[in-house]
Amino acid sequence: DSGVTQTPKHLITATGQRVTLRCSPRSGDLSVYWYQQSLDQGLQFLIQYYNGEERAKGNILERFSAQQFPDLHSELNLSSLELGDSALYFCASNSGKSSGANVLTFGAGSRLTVL
Amino acid sequence: LAKTTQPISMDSYEGQEVNITCSHNNIATNDYITWYQQFPSQGPRFIIQGYKTKVTNEVASLFIPADRKSSTLSLPRVSLSDTAVYYCLVEVYGQNFVFGPGTRLSVLP
Repeated sequence: DSGVTQTPKHLITATGQRVTLRCSPRSGDLSVYWYQQSLDQGLQFLIQYYNGEERAKGNILERFSAQQFPDLHSELNLSSLELGDSALYFCASNSGKSSGANVLTFGAGSRLTVL
Repeated sequence: LAKTTQPISMDSYEGQEVNITCSHNNIATNDYITWYQQFPSQGPRFIIQGYKTKVTNEVASLFIPADRKSSTLSLPRVSLSDTAVYYCLVEVYGQNFVFGPGTRLSVLP
């Protein structure tokens, strides 16, 4: 158990629908990162939050949005789903401190299947 | 952000030492070098991190030359369970972490 909790583990839905993925960071970590990994593809950075504020944005589609709540958990919202959105979605966390020596701790991922 | 370049894939046999080199020519003074391991359908897992010279832990060694423009992850005596994708990452003050395609290591019996 890495300490980063992601729910749900598996999700099957239909095109056009909307889903929400949830992430609880490791205790003490203030920063949350979201990544998308399609089948046999690399990790695509989506977005980063630090203590409730958006810090960096990657290749996140306009149909996707995220937020980090006061208790530091984060949610990734995916709407108007398309077949190509089927992927593993990983959440990672770290302290977010500007030390240059930060390490990411990843959750087990949420597997989204869009039919 | 410092861009990294690694071999796309490598093959090895059980019991051999595997060295994976990562190039990061534009690394900045304050950047650290971190390696992660990812098994299929699992999140990446931290292996080792270093700033300069050599770092060793129970899993691997990391060699960083003086100019820091490259680094080499060394896995001693690999086993079948070391088959995974290995990512080299150069961190920039806790900013967004962008992963490259990584190196797919296949360990053969």
